[in-house]
Amino acid sequence: DQQVKQNSPSLSVQEGRISILNCDYTNSMFDYFLWYKKYPAEGPTFLISISSIKDKNEDGRFTVFLNKSAKHLSLHIVPSQPGDSAVYFCATRPYSGAGSYQLTFGKGTKLSVIP
Amino acid sequence: DVKVTQSSRYLVKRTGEKVFLECVQDMDHENMFWYRQDPGLGLRLIYFSYDVKMKEKGDIPEGYSVSREKKERFSLILESASTNQTSMYLCASMGGNQPQHFGDGTRLSIL
Repeated sequence: DQQVKQNSPSLSVQEGRISILNCDYTNSMFDYFLWYKKYPAEGPTFLISISSIKDKNEDGRFTVFLNKSAKHLSLHIVPSQPGDSAVYFCATRPYSGAGSYQLTFGKGTKLSVIP
Repeated sequence: DVKVTQSSRYLVKRTGEKVFLECVQDMDHENMFWYRQDPGLGLRLIYFSYDVKMKEKGDIPEGYSVSREKKERFSLILESASTNQTSMYLCASMGGNQPQHFGDGTRLSIL
């Protein structure tokens, strides 16, 4: 049973526009959420995170929004750039205590930013 | 910056061989992880270790074992390689409650 779902396998966006990547989770024990970016033939790179005490976290062009009641988070990239073309993984875990070592990943969304 | 180094970027082995994948981190992190990544399946945890000589099974440990004799090094062992273990293998380390940091991966082909 998938605990973390990224329902869009791929997304194409024009350069300069907003990219919105979505992620849904089922386990209410998850309270720390991360986004990773992965280029082909490289390991995932940590992008941005948010804990459940917040509903928004911003870092430059990247903003993550968390809706706890809907068990939904999204990553906004504004403005999108061709170098943002990569696979984006949503990941989550309990912030502390049992299971806090182990990340559960979504299957990823491949973002293509068209020049 | 955290550096996680995987010993090989590409590896080709034969069915039935014993295969060792090595990973070293330079940040004195307690926690280390092995994942495999397959198209359409995301990252799946094979094993992790929270201290020297300690290990825990992840979601897909069958056909694999691990070794952590020193804090900086975490090895993944395929006891008898099979073609369904052809995959991208990713090692990660984590200190405290920080995000996991990944190596660049080993693309393993089993023929």
